[in-house]
Parts: sequence; C-alpha cells; structure tokens
Amino acid sequence: EDQVTQSPEALRLQEGESSSLNCSYTVSGLRGLFWYRQDPGKGPEFLFTLYSAGEEKEKERLKATLTKKESFLHITAPKPEDSATYLCAVRRDNNAGNMLTFGGGTRLMVKP
Amino acid sequence: DAMVIQNPRYQVTQFGKPVTLSCSQTLNHNVMYWYQQKSSQAPKLLFHYYDKDFNNEADTPDNFQSRRPNTSFCFLDIRSPGLGDAAMYLCATSSALWADYQPQHFGDGTRLSIL
Repeated sequence: EDQVTQSPEALRLQEGESSSLNCSYTVSGLRGLFWYRQDPGKGPEFLFTLYSAGEEKEKERLKATLTKKESFLHITAPKPEDSATYLCAVRRDNNAGNMLTFGGGTRLMVKP
Repeated sequence: DAMVIQNPRYQVTQFGKPVTLSCSQTLNHNVMYWYQQKSSQAPKLLFHYYDKDFNNEADTPDNFQSRRPNTSFCFLDIRSPGLGDAAMYLCATSSALWADYQPQHFGDGTRLSIL
C-alpha cells in the first residue's frame, strides 16, 4: 500500500535560517511526486512535480529534490511569507488513474 | 486567469439538513475531484469524475453524493450532514486521468460548519 510520511510535523525558523522538509514515500512504481503549498483557509497551491530520482526543481527560495525513497524541500533564507503548510503527494501505484496519496504535511512558521 | 472556483467559501448548515457545495473550472480539464480535509490533516479523496464517469472511493460514506452536469461544473451533495462532516471541502481538477505526472489544481475550498 502506498505511504507518504512527512517530517517534521511543524518547523519554526527565524527569517534567513535555511532548512529542509522531508517526504518519505513507499510506492512500487513512482509516477510523479508533487509538492504543494497550503495557506490557512485556502486550497493547496501546486509547486513542483518530480519525475525520477536525481531530479531537482527550483522556484525562488524553494528547491525540491528526489531520491528513490524520499524527497526534500529545501528552503533557502526563508521569509515570513514562506510560512504555510507544505504537502507532499505521490500518484497512487494502481490502475485507477491520476489519484494522489498525500502526506500529513509540514507546518512551517518563519519568524521575522 | 483560468482557475478552479468554489462557492460558497463558508457554509453553515444544521445537523441533518441537506447541503450542496459547488465547483466550477475554466481549465477545461476532464477530471474533477472532491476531497475532504479536516483540521491539520491531509486531504482525503471522496470521489472523482472522468468526464461523466463517476468513481467513488471505497470508504466514502453513502451520505456523500456528487453531480457533474457538464465539463465546467461539479457539485457535492451531503444528504444528512452529521457533526463529523464539518471540514474543508476541496475541489480539484486535472487535465488527464491516465497521463503520468499531471498535477491536480485545487480551488480554495468551502469550509462547512454543522450546527
């Protein structure tokens, strides 16, 4: 059965203090790992798709990387506006089509 | 901008009183999804439509129904809401059901409260 585990559950950083969020997954045939950002009271906002081990994607202060067992979301010199919950999801390993299994998320708080 | 729009943003209903949530999209995507998200939890898929084909998740209660009258609109009907159904309901779309690596695009959700 597909499993996605995110750690830590919550992370407090000072502005400018770089860190990484972890997403560990178990799926026999990865067909896409997705990172989303979710602000309070809003829907998830798509950030990145990663396709294969070794791949990296960047957007502003965020960089997502992928290995065969986990993905990292690196945040460089974060700002208070980066505070949000970051969700990781993998496409389910079955023949049901584009269904996602989400992790529980990491709630990031960046203090000025 | 093309987007996924959910109405209303906040909905209050009484215990047992039917309620309908709506979702529209201007992305012209074939697939539409409904998720339930409770506080500090991951989104949980309830069902999806691929064009007009409806697919229910195995553990979605019978209390939850959905309609998709056309490509652009999809509705979530909760026939007899219970206190445990209070949650954020998210609508999402994707361009294809079978193409790998296609992201889902979410609306901002409807926060449902039950009195």
